[in-house]
Amino acid sequence: QQQVKQSPQSLIVQKGGISIINCAYENTAFDYFPWYQQFPGKGPALLIAIRPDVSEKKEGRFTISFNKSAKQFSLHIMDSQPGDSATYFCAASQINTGTASKLTFGTGTRLQVTL
Amino acid sequence: EAQVTQNPRYLITVTGKKLTVTCSQNMNHEYMSWYRQDPGLGLRQIYYSMNVEVTDKGDVPEGYKVSRKEKRNFPLILESPSPNQTSLYFCASRSRLVLTDTQYFGPGTRLTVL
Repeated sequence: QQQVKQSPQSLIVQKGGISIINCAYENTAFDYFPWYQQFPGKGPALLIAIRPDVSEKKEGRFTISFNKSAKQFSLHIMDSQPGDSATYFCAASQINTGTASKLTFGTGTRLQVTL
Repeated sequence: EAQVTQNPRYLITVTGKKLTVTCSQNMNHEYMSWYRQDPGLGLRQIYYSMNVEVTDKGDVPEGYKVSRKEKRNFPLILESPSPNQTSLYFCASRSRLVLTDTQYFGPGTRLTVL
């Protein structure tokens, strides 16, 4: 059972465009929603994260939009650059319970930014 | 430099030959985890540890063992590897601070079981 559903599986965006990746979750107990970025041959690295008490978080060109009622959250990459080409994973966890350290990941989106 | 290290980075083995993938972190983190990454499935947690001598199963623990005898080390053991354990494995660690759940991942170990 996939508790965090991610789409699209792959995405091609022109340089300067907006990349949008969507995730939906089922478990209403999740209270932490990070996005991880993974370059080929590397481990995932935290990109940006949000708690459910806010609807949006922005860090530079990266923005998370969060819709608690719809149980959805999305990553927006503004002014996409070729250096943003990577695989992006959404994730969810319950950090306020004893099950700390358990991240449930989406299936990943491979982003390619073309010139 | 704060980091999570894994060894080996690449391993090709045969069915049934016991192997261990080591993981070490230098950030004094309490929590450590093992994940496997497979195409179309994302990352799935195998085992996690909340502190020394405290481990628990993740989502896909079958065929794996772990131990946490020291805070910095969290080895993954495959007693009798099978071809369905061919995958990319990541170790991760994080601080027990509740306000953040930033997990730091190692560089990965690509395992092939023939």
